[in-house]
Amino acid sequence: QVQLQESGPGLVKPSETLSLTCTVSGGSISSYYWSWIRQPPGKGLEWIGYIYYSGSTNYNPSLKSRVTISVDTSKNQFSLKLSSVTAADTAVYYCARRITMVRGVNYYYYYYMDVWGKGTTVTVSS
Amino acid sequence: DIQMTQSPSSLSASVGDRVTITCRASQSISSYLNWYQQKPGKAPKLLIYAASSLQSGVPSRFSGSGSGTDFTLTISSLQPEDFATYYCQQSYSTLGFGPGTKVDIK
Repeated sequence: QVQLQESGPGLVKPSETLSLTCTVSGGSISSYYWSWIRQPPGKGLEWIGYIYYSGSTNYNPSLKSRVTISVDTSKNQFSLKLSSVTAADTAVYYCARRITMVRGVNYYYYYYMDVWGKGTTVTVSS
Repeated sequence: DIQMTQSPSSLSASVGDRVTITCRASQSISSYLNWYQQKPGKAPKLLIYAASSLQSGVPSRFSGSGSGTDFTLTISSLQPEDFATYYCQQSYSTLGFGPGTKVDIK
């Protein structure tokens, strides 16, 4: 059974770069897409972006200029970097596996996140 | 940019009640709609994908319906473990979430 675990500093200074890693266990990182999602305190969920095991990425347009997601298949890990952070980036950060399901003769592609990490809290403060 | 709204934002219900949560998209998203349940301090859990498909292991009292712009999540008989916040998410373009609906005890 696939499990995900986020890791990284819990405190980041304003204007610095937030760096997190998600380790995939119980299965291979290959053949799947992997996502980052965050949740500010008391607020809703925000999708940050995802990466395919081959390295192709897609980011939330609102964060695209500051986000980099990378993958290391040899370690079964993928990572998030968010630059120039401010207090607004304080949140619980989750990693998740994104499933692609194809249906119908016209090949409709459905995406959903079926396995999530427990989340890690990152606070941006001096 | 597709905007997702949910109603109500919160509701109070009793064990055994039938509960319906609505999610609306700002444009048609066909059936590219997922539902998640989140309990305090926990990660979200997938309940429904593709608007009406029940994720493996999720109790059958949960069901989803709708297409286009209007969707519903129904809990046929609310159980104590169902008190949580529910989020819809569209996968038509990027992966935007609705603001959530909190279900608490009446």
